[in-house]
Amino acid sequence: DTAVSQTPKYLVTQMGNDKSIKCEQNLGHDTMYWYKQDSKKFLKIMFSYNNKELIINETVPNRFSPKSPDKAHLNLHINSLELGDSAVYFCASSQGDRGLFNQPQHFGDGTRLSIL
Amino acid sequence: GQQLNQSPQSMFIQEGEDVSMNCTSSSIFNTWLWYKQDPGEGPVLLIALYKAGELTSNGRLTAQFGITRKDSFLNISASIPSDVGIYFCAGRSGSGTYKYIFGTGTRLKVLA
Repeated sequence: DTAVSQTPKYLVTQMGNDKSIKCEQNLGHDTMYWYKQDSKKFLKIMFSYNNKELIINETVPNRFSPKSPDKAHLNLHINSLELGDSAVYFCASSQGDRGLFNQPQHFGDGTRLSIL
Repeated sequence: GQQLNQSPQSMFIQEGEDVSMNCTSSSIFNTWLWYKQDPGEGPVLLIALYKAGELTSNGRLTAQFGITRKDSFLNISASIPSDVGIYFCAGRSGSGTYKYIFGTGTRLKVLA
């Protein structure tokens, strides 16, 4: 069973459209993340949720809105897609209870978003 | 956003050679992680380090948490073609934060 699974794996869409990416983890972790990896492979954190509560919100356009219906799911909705949004988006999870803040993150296989 | 400097940025080596790479920061970290990313996949955790001076191995891989807490090193012994990929370090500073800062990556290519 895949520990952190993202859908879709590939997403090709037109500029201006709205799209969503879904993420689910079956590791029983309390904390989930969204990262963006650009064409140079730089990984930057975007958001993090702990038990459905937003705990990290980096400088990301408000066109990006994460939603966590429960601690096993973290979805990312993007409005009015722009060319610069083309990247690979990774979901990750970790055990993030108090006293376990340093637990490693486990990544999904990524969603390759291409904006035409 | 903040990034950690990794060196070298890329390297070609012959199969069987040993590989060394490092990651440096201007600030102190209390946790270091090393990941490997294969094409088309997400980063996979290789080694986690939690104490200054700690030396941890995972098969042919050995990583060290620098004494200054501002750097970490990863060594791969007797490289094989499947070691090809991008290696990332990640560091976390302070307590009460879930945020890891990732390195710029070292791209490794192994020549058979």
